[in-house]
Amino acid sequence: QSALTQPRSVSGSPGQSVTISCTGTSSDVGYYKYVSWYQHHPGKAPKLMIYDVSERPSGVPDRFSGSKSGNTASLTISGLQAEDEADYYCCSYAGYSTLVFGGGTKLTVL
Amino acid sequence: QVQLVQSGAEVKKPGASVKVSCKASGYTFTSYGVSWVRQAPGQGLEWMGWITVYNGNTNYAQHLQGRVTMTTDPSTSTAYMELRSLRSDDTAVYYCARRLRQLGFDQYSLDVWGQGTTVTVSS
Repeated sequence: QSALTQPRSVSGSPGQSVTISCTGTSSDVGYYKYVSWYQHHPGKAPKLMIYDVSERPSGVPDRFSGSKSGNTASLTISGLQAEDEADYYCCSYAGYSTLVFGGGTKLTVL
Repeated sequence: QVQLVQSGAEVKKPGASVKVSCKASGYTFTSYGVSWVRQAPGQGLEWMGWITVYNGNTNYAQHLQGRVTMTTDPSTSTAYMELRSLRSDDTAVYYCARRLRQLGFDQYSLDVWGQGTTVTVSS
């Protein structure tokens, strides 16, 4: 299956909110409620930030929220902080026990 | 604490095979699935497949079918990923990750990740 589509980069100032989109198809994002988001600081292990579209694992700040409409999922980060600067990847269940990732979005905190 | 510790960096020639290990600790190894994800230089994350530890069932990304094998050794709480017929575009950081489990069911997210293993394929 093809990778999900994310913007290559987004940016925001500290304290602002940013939203990262993730567009798939009616066979993955649009069909299943199994969209997750990962934060990846280069050289470190990715970190699960959101699962099942909008659920936060324990320990993840409530500044991070997820949603979905049709074939597009979104990650919103409010109250931007310097440490939020990282690459963010969406991921969706794609049927037949397979996953597909997005191409990744680089978040810059200005 | 829950952690996955992977084996060290590898350098391989085209056509060779590589086997990366991932040792789990801090949880019951057989109760969770293990997935493998890779990231080529300058590229995004790519899902490779996963294995259900308690019964050995595997699912692989279609484009890797026939070249990849995922196995586990419950006696040592270790998962393995072997990739054969290596090509230059297999050069990547390879991650193992634990499959999230809730209410007794495997979910479709990865909640604990290893530190990554760099595999370089070069003649």
